[in-house]
Amino acid sequence: DTAVSQTPKYLVTQMGNDKSIKCEQNLGHDTMYWYKQDSKKFLKIMFSYNNKELIINETVPNRFSPKSPDKAHLNLHINSLELGDSAVYFCASRLKLAGVHNEQFFGPGTRLTVL
Amino acid sequence: AQSVSQHNHHVILSEAASLELGCNYSYGGTVNLFWYVQYPGQHLQLLLKYFSGDPLVKGIKGFEAEFIKSKFSFNLRKPSVQWSDTAEYFCAVRGGGKLIFGQGTELSVKP
Repeated sequence: DTAVSQTPKYLVTQMGNDKSIKCEQNLGHDTMYWYKQDSKKFLKIMFSYNNKELIINETVPNRFSPKSPDKAHLNLHINSLELGDSAVYFCASRLKLAGVHNEQFFGPGTRLTVL
Repeated sequence: AQSVSQHNHHVILSEAASLELGCNYSYGGTVNLFWYVQYPGQHLQLLLKYFSGDPLVKGIKGFEAEFIKSKFSFNLRKPSVQWSDTAEYFCAVRGGGKLIFGQGTELSVKP
């Protein structure tokens, strides 16, 4: 299936731990994103990579570090997890071409619960 | 800074009722406009989009939206909702390279 996939789907962990979420897209897109959806369903962009280069970095604590090993992957590593990090994290991708309008495709989300 | 505002937090309708969800944005430049839907426990799916041209756009599942530039609005409509339309609906605006979402509207359709 062509899609944006994320692993794991659910992640339950203790405060202070370090965890990673992986994202992969096989759509041939060159731009990938991480969003955080809080308990009130509010979606906010965190990071964006274009051709493995960081292009958007919102005011996110530096405990969050995205890594893009290639155009098809964008992983999110979180150090020293805090209770407030509990949320659903969505990965998305898009083909960013000059003069071409298109939409982002979203992954299924990773529900992170920090205890 | 751009922002997106959705008027209704929670809308409850009976099947066959008509739906209109409001969305207003603030951004001074050219925008691309989107409505996404999130069914319970699922990821976001694109309902429809506006980039240019006819301001009345039709999407999937009988949804449509109208872009009114003078009002900075992009309201979502459906003439007759079904129980399966129960979901969270997000308006989103892309301007200056970033996609900004509204706070979402939860739609509950009673059978």
